[in-house]
Amino acid sequence: KAGVTQTPRYLIKTRGQQVTLSCSPISGHRSVSWYQQTPGQGLQFLFEYFSETQRNKGNFPGRFSGRQFSNSRSEMNVSTLELGDSALYLCASSFLDSFTDTQYFGPGTRLTVL
Amino acid sequence: DQQVKQNSPSLSVQEGRISILNCDYTNSMFDYFLWYKKYPAEGPTFLISISSIKDKNEDGRFTVFLNKSAKHLSLHIVPSQPGDSAVYFCAASGGNDMRFGAGTRLTVKP
Repeated sequence: KAGVTQTPRYLIKTRGQQVTLSCSPISGHRSVSWYQQTPGQGLQFLFEYFSETQRNKGNFPGRFSGRQFSNSRSEMNVSTLELGDSALYLCASSFLDSFTDTQYFGPGTRLTVL
Repeated sequence: DQQVKQNSPSLSVQEGRISILNCDYTNSMFDYFLWYKKYPAEGPTFLISISSIKDKNEDGRFTVFLNKSAKHLSLHIVPSQPGDSAVYFCAASGGNDMRFGAGTRLTVKP
């Protein structure tokens, strides 16, 4: 079965702009989580969506938001971009619960903020 | 705050020898632990996991050990192969939280 896909793969934005990233989970998976990866920080959990509802949230400012559609596809939005938002953004899908089920990661979206 | 720490940013071992990657955590609510492997330009892939009711889980060349009293887990790879060269992340979940370590870059030399 097809893996997790993320679009776009690369993105360049300037400070103050906003950006929307997209994630399509593995078919049948209902949980989608988003992570930010920066050098030296590892993967930092942003939020998890299940059945179109945000179920868990990490420690990120309100500029980071997301949503999930009825087909489990998810989008992540970052408003008022800052230089420090430059990172690899990964989404992962799991069957029911990202905290206890195996997560399958997409290849990521590399965001560069100039 | 770094609730999950991988104190070694890099590790180099010879092919055929054992690789030991370490991870420490501080949150006693964590009760499920995982290791992921990441190659460049790819997302992390699941490697092995362990729940807090066990102290060891084995899958082929990979074994994860959990020491709950020390809040420490380790991943052993025996024997190490050049294809194992990647960044390894440990992760811990529990109490509605999930944290990843910063990763250890493993290089296995032929």
